[in-house]
Amino acid sequence: EPEVTQTPSHQVTQMGQEVILRCVPISNHLYFYWYRQILGQKVEFLVSFYNNEISEKSEIFDDQFSVERPDGSNFTLKIRSTKLEDSAMYFCASLPQAGYGYTFGSGTRLTVV
Amino acid sequence: TQLLEQSPQFLSIQEGENLTVYCNSSSVFSSLQWYRQEPGEGPVLLVTVVTGGEVKKLKRLTFQFGDARKDSSLHITAAQPGDTGLYLCAGGIQGAQKLVFGQGTRLTINP
Repeated sequence: EPEVTQTPSHQVTQMGQEVILRCVPISNHLYFYWYRQILGQKVEFLVSFYNNEISEKSEIFDDQFSVERPDGSNFTLKIRSTKLEDSAMYFCASLPQAGYGYTFGSGTRLTVV
Repeated sequence: TQLLEQSPQFLSIQEGENLTVYCNSSSVFSSLQWYRQEPGEGPVLLVTVVTGGEVKKLKRLTFQFGDARKDSSLHITAAQPGDTGLYLCAGGIQGAQKLVFGQGTRLTINP
């Protein structure tokens, strides 16, 4: 069964450093997402990406965050200057068209120290 | 702001019992999805319901979307230890490309 692949599975970074989280969505999917889950809290929407541009973003997704789909297969989330409160599991997800269920990746656990 | 409240948050029952998990909101959703999440993993889709009153069955799991599309339930018949896990409901928002998640129900089935 097709999978969404995320790398790395764990990332530890110093506060203020830049991190890039990588995702390979399912190849024929058109909609791409990043969600995050702080330990013990709800899964929260960060950003949606469709047709090579951001279609929607949450309040969390401020100027420190950016997304790219540089080569038609990878989908990346960059955090420019990490803060302690960015520590969370970050999930990439994709779907073939609107209204379908999502396929989530296994996540990247980001720890900012 | 659309919110989804799941209840109960924790449920521990014996193997063979039946259970129901609820997902409630004051908002209308275009779809309601149920996921199961294992520790350290991403949510895995169980079902999507889109029509008010819709009922879907997945073996011993029955999912229902409320008539007004504001609530949903997950019923498990004859629960087994393999059903143990975190169950999440998530609502699709009309005109928006995102899901709103409930806080989850942590289910433990004891042998």
